[in-house]
Amino acid sequence: DTAVSQTPKYLVTQMGNDKSIKCEQNLGHDTMYWYKQDSKKFLKIMFSYNNKELIINETVPNRFSPKSPDKAHLNLHINSLELGDSAVYFCASSDGGMPTDTQYFGPGTRLTVL
Amino acid sequence: AQSVTQPDIHITVSEGASLELRCNYSYGATPYLFWYVQSPGQGLQLLLKYFSGDTLVQGIKGFEAEFKRSQSSFNLRKPSVHWSDAAEYFCAVGGGGGSYIPTFGRGTSLIVHP
Repeated sequence: DTAVSQTPKYLVTQMGNDKSIKCEQNLGHDTMYWYKQDSKKFLKIMFSYNNKELIINETVPNRFSPKSPDKAHLNLHINSLELGDSAVYFCASSDGGMPTDTQYFGPGTRLTVL
Repeated sequence: AQSVTQPDIHITVSEGASLELRCNYSYGATPYLFWYVQSPGQGLQLLLKYFSGDTLVQGIKGFEAEFKRSQSSFNLRKPSVHWSDAAEYFCAVGGGGGSYIPTFGRGTSLIVHP
C-alpha cells in the first residue's frame, strides 16, 4: 500500500564506493524527483523526471546519475562517494511536473559516508 | 532569485494552545507557496498550498495559512495543537510554468508539551 517507497532506508559506506538508492511509486504518477536534505535539514531538489525523461538537473555533481527504467521507478546511483554526500535522500512523485501538482514523498534514505 | 525564510528554528507550545509558524518569501512574481510537515523518520507531507484566489487557505489536519502579499508572508496557523502535531514544518516557494525549482525554508521544529 506504500505510495512512494525507497530502499534501503539506511546506507553506511566508505568514501570512494559506488552505491545506489531505489525508488518506486505505485500512484501512476508521471513525474518523479530526488531531493537531498543535509544535516541542517535544508532540502534541495536534485533531479526531476517526467515519463522517464530528465527535466530538472540542479547543479549536481556528475557522480550522481539518476536512472528511470520506467515511469514508476527512479533510481539514484552515486559514484566515488564523498563525505559531503552524507545526507537524507528523498524520492517524490507527482501526477504532472507543474508546481500546482502535489508531490508525494518517500520515507527517505539516510546515507552515511565514512 | 527566490528564497524562503523561516525565522524560528524551534517553537514550543502546550497542547491545546494555538500555533503560528512564520514564513517569509522572496519572489519576483506571484508565488506558489506550500507548507509541508515532516514527522520523525518520515518523508514530507503536503499540508496546504496557495496559488491564487482566497488568501486564506485551509489544509489538512486543521491547519490554515494566510498569504499576505504586502508582508511577503505565508504563516501557518492552527487554533489548538495536539501532541501528534510535534514535527518539522517546512515552507516552500515555487514559480509557475514548465519545469520549476521549489525552494524550501530550513524548517521549524514544533515541540508540544502535555
